[in-house]
Amino acid sequence: DQQVKQNSPSLSVQEGRISILNCDYTNSMFDYFLWYKKYPAEGPTFLISISSIKDKNEDGRFTVFLNKSAKHLSLHIVPSQPGDSAVYFCAASPETSGSRLTFGEGTQLTVNP
Amino acid sequence: NAGVTQTPKFQVLKTGQSMTLQCAQDMNHEYMSWYRQDPGMGLRLIHYSVGAGITDQGEVPNGYNVSRSTTEDFPLRLLSAAPSQTSVYFCATRGTGELFFGEGSRLTVL
Repeated sequence: DQQVKQNSPSLSVQEGRISILNCDYTNSMFDYFLWYKKYPAEGPTFLISISSIKDKNEDGRFTVFLNKSAKHLSLHIVPSQPGDSAVYFCAASPETSGSRLTFGEGTQLTVNP
Repeated sequence: NAGVTQTPKFQVLKTGQSMTLQCAQDMNHEYMSWYRQDPGMGLRLIHYSVGAGITDQGEVPNGYNVSRSTTEDFPLRLLSAAPSQTSVYFCATRGTGELFFGEGSRLTVL
């Protein structure tokens, strides 16, 4: 039972354009959502988060949108850069503390120069 | 400032062998956890600890043991390795915000 799902295993965009990564969840108890980025042979690193009381959170080129009624969140990267090429994991937690994260399968983003 | 240090980075085991993956952190975080990453399955929580002397099971605990005798260390033990435990293992800690991950330990069980 995959409670957090990223339906696109891969995404390819041109440098300078927008990258949109999507994530769906099924557990209505999830209260806190995060995105992590992972380069090969490294551990995941935190990118951006959003709590269920918000519908948008922005940090520089990265914006996360949350649609609670649809149980859907998305990560927008504008403009995309080649250094953004990585695997992006969506994660969710029933606690605002962020413990016991449930991760999605990941989406490989490739930004072409 | 090393953050989260995992050893070894690579290990090959034969079925039935035992081993311990080490995790050490220098951030004085109470919360520590172990995840495994498998293709197409994301990261799955194996065990976690909210402080010294306290551990609990995550999503996929079978075949793994943990203990937390100090704040700094959270070893993951495989008592009798199986091919299904071939994976990349990540240790992660958390202070008041997001998880900080180590660089991972790649384990192959033949």
